[in-house]
Amino acid sequence: ETVLTQSPGTLSLSPGERATLSCRASQTVGSYFAWYQQKPGQAPRLLISDASIRATGIPDRFSGSRSGTDFTLTISRLEPKDSGVYYCHQYGSSPWTFGQGTKVEIK
Amino acid sequence: QVQLVESGGGVVQPGRSLRLSCAASGFTFRSYGMHWVRQAPGKGLEWVAVILYDGSNTDYADSVKGRFTISRDNSKNTLYLQMDSLRAEDTAMYYCAKDAGWERPRNYFDYWGQGSLVSVST
Repeated sequence: ETVLTQSPGTLSLSPGERATLSCRASQTVGSYFAWYQQKPGQAPRLLISDASIRATGIPDRFSGSRSGTDFTLTISRLEPKDSGVYYCHQYGSSPWTFGQGTKVEIK
Repeated sequence: QVQLVESGGGVVQPGRSLRLSCAASGFTFRSYGMHWVRQAPGKGLEWVAVILYDGSNTDYADSVKGRFTISRDNSKNTLYLQMDSLRAEDTAMYYCAKDAGWERPRNYFDYWGQGSLVSVST
């Protein structure tokens, strides 16, 4: 099973700042990689697929990148509505697995 | 717009069974694979099961293999999860999720339902 390790556990930033979320895979998954945002009491929402492709309706403040087995989600200019938990997800190797989540807090 | 509405959750004793349903609308249900993903209270996400667009193939997480059965009725646009021999560790919110791939599965999830809560307890 491919283990995904997210860092940091919590990110506390001010509006307008840049957020950088990381996820490392324990083995190669190619670019079969997604990011989801989950707000309290809500279902997850797809942000990024195939490591860097924004989902429909996702603003260009969100971007994804890959370097080997290291994946990054960047939120370029944080807004208060960006608060929530962000999960990475690999679908390159069954069983499909998720990271443990990074909580983003807006000061 | 795509809508996925789960139902069937509740409180059940260990060892008993429960069946979840997910009613789909707003897309051509028969052309997409479907998944169940669960989230234990205060915890992260865990993929549970997948079924191909035509029901011809299924796959399960090891944690539920042999106890859970995913199925679908394309004439009713409905996905199911039959959960047998339930354990305390199966307590979670269960989400149905649409696969992003048309007929050929991509195994990531572009739409999610709001979830159905299952609590396994004496």
